[in-house]
Amino acid sequence: QVQLQESGPGLVKPSQTLSLTCTVSGGSINSGDYYWTWVRQPAGKGLEWIGRIHTKGATNYNPSLRSRVTISLDTSQNQISLRLSSVTAADTAVYYCARQMSDWGQGTLVTVSS
Amino acid sequence: QTVVTQEPSLTVSPGGTVTLTCASSTGAVTSGYYPMWFQQKPGQAPRSLIHSATNKHSWTPARFSGSLLGGKAALTLSGAQPEDEAEYYCLLYYGGSQGVFGGGTKLTVL
Repeated sequence: QVQLQESGPGLVKPSQTLSLTCTVSGGSINSGDYYWTWVRQPAGKGLEWIGRIHTKGATNYNPSLRSRVTISLDTSQNQISLRLSSVTAADTAVYYCARQMSDWGQGTLVTVSS
Repeated sequence: QTVVTQEPSLTVSPGGTVTLTCASSTGAVTSGYYPMWFQQKPGQAPRSLIHSATNKHSWTPARFSGSLLGGKAALTLSGAQPEDEAEYYCLLYYGGSQGVFGGGTKLTVL
């Protein structure tokens, strides 16, 4: 059974770039026909769809974040990466990765603060 | 900006039935929006219950069902259990590629 684990800095300064990875075990990220999606959730608030990448590399992004977000595959490490530039306090949230929106990681908290 | 609307809160009695709905600001929700439903309990990651409007996962309790109802996506819980108390989110895909979550429904079993 596939397992996903998000990781990255828990604290990022305003205006810097947030970089997270989602490490996948129990399956290869470049096999099959899957979408790997990033979702975030500010404390006490709802879920926000950030974007996704297909096994073959095609990406789709939330229009409100498109200018700042990049999602990519690192097949050598079996990881999916998320980069979000020019962060502000509004980007403080728990960030989740998911495969086909059915297999989820446990999430990682990222705080944007100086 | 596309908005997906859910009831902010609902209450159901143990053993009772409740229907949560998911509406789109663009019009009627159809199967082409690939509606999904998620359950989230405090401190946990969301768990998918329904995909493609009506399809259950192997882990989805039989008491949950999904449908399209009156231009909305719907999640019906029949025979509510205390452990069903949670936040429920729907997700719609626009143009087959852009996902938008609803604001969530806080379901109380009381």
